[in-house]
Amino acid sequence: SQQGEEDPQALSIQEGENATMNCSYKTSINNLQWYRQNSGRGLVHLILIRSNEREKHSGRLRVTLDTSKKSSSLLITASRAADTASYFCATANALAAGNKLTFGGGTRVLVKP
Amino acid sequence: DAGVTQSPTHLIKTRGQHVTLRCSPISGHKSVSWYQQVLGQGPQFIFQYYEKEERGRGNFPDRFSARQFPNYSSELNVNALLLGDSALYLCASSGSISNQPQHFGDGTRLSIL
Repeated sequence: SQQGEEDPQALSIQEGENATMNCSYKTSINNLQWYRQNSGRGLVHLILIRSNEREKHSGRLRVTLDTSKKSSSLLITASRAADTASYFCATANALAAGNKLTFGGGTRVLVKP
Repeated sequence: DAGVTQSPTHLIKTRGQHVTLRCSPISGHKSVSWYQQVLGQGPQFIFQYYEKEERGRGNFPDRFSARQFPNYSSELNVNALLLGDSALYLCASSGSISNQPQHFGDGTRLSIL
């Protein structure tokens, strides 16, 4: 079963606009990670945010985490055509051994030039 | 340094056959995880191996098995293939057993006829 639920499922924006996607999860977590996947390719790690962190930045990416609401958001600022991809959140369960990640269904982002 | 490499990239099998997928982790990474990604969905965890021992298993039937070798490379085996096993199989490596980003290969696209 998938723990994370991304919202929206799909997003279409113009180049230069910001893109925001949200993720909700159900269990206690050690960390939450965001990944990008271009069509038919592997996943690229974007950001890892630990359960005791509230916000993290990496370049044009900003991730927030609200453990009280069991939710996270990913903001991509000044989007580019190359940002067109599917974005997945994944959680590492605090009660599970190892590094098992539970993924949501993803948000498909289309950035139009 | 080379990233995670998987072979083969594509594979076509028929129902009832058996398949072996291979993964080489990033140099120095001792943890390897396997995921199955059905078209249009997020990846689902199958196995994690760390230091050649199984450290986690997802909700997959016993037809799925894996192992990790002394050089930390890994194989995923699937017996008695079903049509529903058609998917992208992703391998990911990380530097430790938990709380670390996972680095994915480009996957093996398995089609069952």
